[in-house]
Amino acid sequence: KAGVTQTPRYLIKTRGQQVTLSCSPISGHRSVSWYQQTPGQGLQFLFEYFSETQRNKGNFPGRFSGRQFSNSRSEMNVSTLELGDSALYLCASSLGGTGWGEQFFGPGTRLTVL
Amino acid sequence: GIQVEQSPPDLILQEGANSTLRCNFSDSVNNLQWFHQNPWGQLINLFYIPSGTKQNGRLSATTVATERYSLLYISSSQTTDSGVYFCAVGRTNFGNEKLTFGTGTRLTIIP
Repeated sequence: KAGVTQTPRYLIKTRGQQVTLSCSPISGHRSVSWYQQTPGQGLQFLFEYFSETQRNKGNFPGRFSGRQFSNSRSEMNVSTLELGDSALYLCASSLGGTGWGEQFFGPGTRLTVL
Repeated sequence: GIQVEQSPPDLILQEGANSTLRCNFSDSVNNLQWFHQNPWGQLINLFYIPSGTKQNGRLSATTVATERYSLLYISSSQTTDSGVYFCAVGRTNFGNEKLTFGTGTRLTIIP
């Protein structure tokens, strides 16, 4: 089975712009979660989607949003970028449902905001 | 929320040595995973171990859920074992599926 894929792998934006990141889960997985990793804050949970519905959200401002499509692929969007949004963004997929279980991560998108 | 503490924060060992990494968590969990983050940032799954003991080659892990800790053992270390090891925990509660990560243990293996 193919693993979790994320596109693009690298991205450079300037302050004030917006960005969209994409994540394709492992085939058959219905849950997709997003995490932000920075040197200062470590790995932090952004949100989780299951069957096109956001089930859980972390403590991030409303500039961070996401969605999930009927094929379980997910996108996250960050509007009005700030310098502090520079980070590695990781998505993870799992079976979801009541058997939430093991999560598998993609290679990440490294975002640099100038 | 659940607090996760990993120790030690840094570990430098000679090739061939053994090591034990520890993960303490503050509440009951039913999901616990160990990851190795490679230099390019990808999190590699090592173990899914909410309880019990598992082994995979030179690596093994034990989780004592009742005492809220997990241990990762690496035997006969190789330079390729270098990197950051993360413990992540979660509690399945429909609508609350998220992993909380520790701050990691940075392992450096010297040839």
